[in-house]
Amino acid sequence: ETGVTQTPRHLVMGMTNKKSLKCEQHLGHNAMYWYKQSAKKPLELMFVYSLEERVENNSVPSRFSPECPNSSHLFLHLHTLQPEDSALYLCASSQEGSTSADYNEQFFGPGTRLTVL
Amino acid sequence: EDQVTQSPEALRLQEGESSSLNCSYTVSGLRGLFWYRQDPGKGPEFLFTLYSAGEEKEKERLKATLTKKESFLHITAPKPEDSATYLCAATTSGNTPLVFGKGTRLSVIA
Repeated sequence: ETGVTQTPRHLVMGMTNKKSLKCEQHLGHNAMYWYKQSAKKPLELMFVYSLEERVENNSVPSRFSPECPNSSHLFLHLHTLQPEDSALYLCASSQEGSTSADYNEQFFGPGTRLTVL
Repeated sequence: EDQVTQSPEALRLQEGESSSLNCSYTVSGLRGLFWYRQDPGKGPEFLFTLYSAGEEKEKERLKATLTKKESFLHITAPKPEDSATYLCAATTSGNTPLVFGKGTRLSVIA
């Protein structure tokens, strides 16, 4: 495997289900991200794990719960979702440094297309 | 509030018809301006990073430029395989994550 992988690629779930999205990066990066992409909207940053520290977007509902067990793996646990949560969920990784010149590009996975019924 | 605005929302070109996509940004202390390409059903693919006004970068038929207020993605003699959504994003001082625009959906017709 190379780059950033995400599983599953497609997920259909009911509002009462609990499911998890998985992301794995094979690039040796030290930061990982979850984004939500909805039609006609910009990519919305949900969570960041950078240098083992979690940076959370305060507007993300608690029904989304991230987990980063190590620098290569990132999970997004889902429970009691709403139909408006249907979207493409993208994972990304990057190598962050301590200077402005080290803020590098993010590499994205293919995404998980989530449908909440 | 940091903001990135892309125009046009959609652009339809004939094969070989050159054009430019615009990305204007209002951020405090720009540290980097990024361009990505996204094909349907896939994640964004990195194209360029620009760090300072006056900087230019090229890749095949694409050239990205940066001024103090906006960035342009110039497409020279596009081909149908250049059809995609092009995303612009900015990062500001303080090591904050990327702020993305809504993207420009480009269609190149043979």
